[in-house]
Amino acid sequence: DTGVSQNPRHKITKRGQNVTFRCDPISEHNRLYWYRQTLGQGPEFLTYFQNEAQLEKSRLLSDRFSAERPKGSFSTLEIQRTEQGDSAMYLCASSYRGLETQYFGPGTRLLVL
Amino acid sequence: GENVEQHPSTLSVQEGDSAVIKCTYSDSASNYFPWYKQELGKRPQLIIDIRSNVGEKKDQRIAVTLNKTAKHFSLHITETQPEDSAVYFCAGGSTSYGKLTFGQGTILTVHP
Repeated sequence: DTGVSQNPRHKITKRGQNVTFRCDPISEHNRLYWYRQTLGQGPEFLTYFQNEAQLEKSRLLSDRFSAERPKGSFSTLEIQRTEQGDSAMYLCASSYRGLETQYFGPGTRLLVL
Repeated sequence: GENVEQHPSTLSVQEGDSAVIKCTYSDSASNYFPWYKQELGKRPQLIIDIRSNVGEKKDQRIAVTLNKTAKHFSLHITETQPEDSAVYFCAGGSTSYGKLTFGQGTILTVHP
């Protein structure tokens, strides 16, 4: 499968724990995006990278959230001290610079108990 | 920042009818407008997109129209089929910045 992949697909954690998600973009894509989607809503932008540089972060991304893309390939999104309000689907997407089509991964569904 | 409003929130049609979903956007700098289809439990998949230098684009049964002056764009699905049933999202963005702002979604149900 040459599409965007995400791991894990599901994560259940207790409030206060830290979680980390991984996204592997389509190999030649140098832009990588993170979105959050709650039930019945459209995806909300969190942050995006061009190669290893994090170019924009949403105000939704509190200090408890951090994202990295150290070598310009895969990316990780970490949530520290999780809260019940963090429960959502976390979607990753990638695109090729100069072409705007964003291809989404299957998402990681997070449930904070 | 950009704000995208989408209507209706639910749409029910009979197989073979047409379906139209409308979106408005607020940021005149937006120049890229994709539409995604999301089936239950699956990833959003691009079905069609349009750039601001084009007023209309068609791909088989699906078409999108864009009115830059009024800042609205619409998705048209003709000859609907039960497999078209899904949630459809419009989005707006700038090719300079990359991020997309999504509408709230439309649940389309096509009855056989």
